[in-house]
Amino acid sequence: GQNIDQPTEMTATEGAIVQINCTYQTSGFNGLFWYQQHAGEAPTFLSYNVLDGLEEKGRFSSFLSRSKGYSYLLLKELQMKDSASYLCACNQGGKLIFGQGTELSVKP
Amino acid sequence: GAVVSQHPSWVICKSGTSVKIECRSLDFQATTMFWYRQFPKQSLMLMATSNEGSKATYEQGVEKDKFLINHASLTLSTLTVTSAHPEDSSFYICSAGLAGMGRETQYFGPGTRLLVL
Repeated sequence: GQNIDQPTEMTATEGAIVQINCTYQTSGFNGLFWYQQHAGEAPTFLSYNVLDGLEEKGRFSSFLSRSKGYSYLLLKELQMKDSASYLCACNQGGKLIFGQGTELSVKP
Repeated sequence: GAVVSQHPSWVICKSGTSVKIECRSLDFQATTMFWYRQFPKQSLMLMATSNEGSKATYEQGVEKDKFLINHASLTLSTLTVTSAHPEDSSFYICSAGLAGMGRETQYFGPGTRLLVL
């Protein structure tokens, strides 16, 4: 089976840094994705990790540890527009299995 | 690049009718297309995987006779919700898989909001 856990919600201040964690237990693991989803819209691709380590892309970075079944998404210099749901998804043989999503609220 | 469209963006229908949703990859040929359903405040749940020219693979608990999937070409997949009922009201999202550069990324369509009265 598969199990993907993320915090349900987080709050952070504009300009700050926030880290959203994701732990997973899944068979046939072939990489981990992070997506951003604003209310009423489809998810948009943020990052993909298949090897251990940190991938940096602008204000967003994503980390993966396959041995620990752990990933995090790091958002720097938070902006109000970053308020959204952040979805962690495991690639299981080409299929994406999503976590419940973390609702991030950025406050002034 | 990697744009996926869905049509319609929203639909309201009466209970018992059928609704067809189209998913198109506009600027690339998708090896695989996926259909998801998302209820309010919940995450995306994979319904089925669709490969061009072959039968869709449905996830456990998804009725294949109720959710008909046709994948006629590498750029078009359709989902038909047959005999829709109020409990089928949801946000339906498709994605198209793009393989390459040692990874496969899914690009999502804008979603179709279905309300069954």
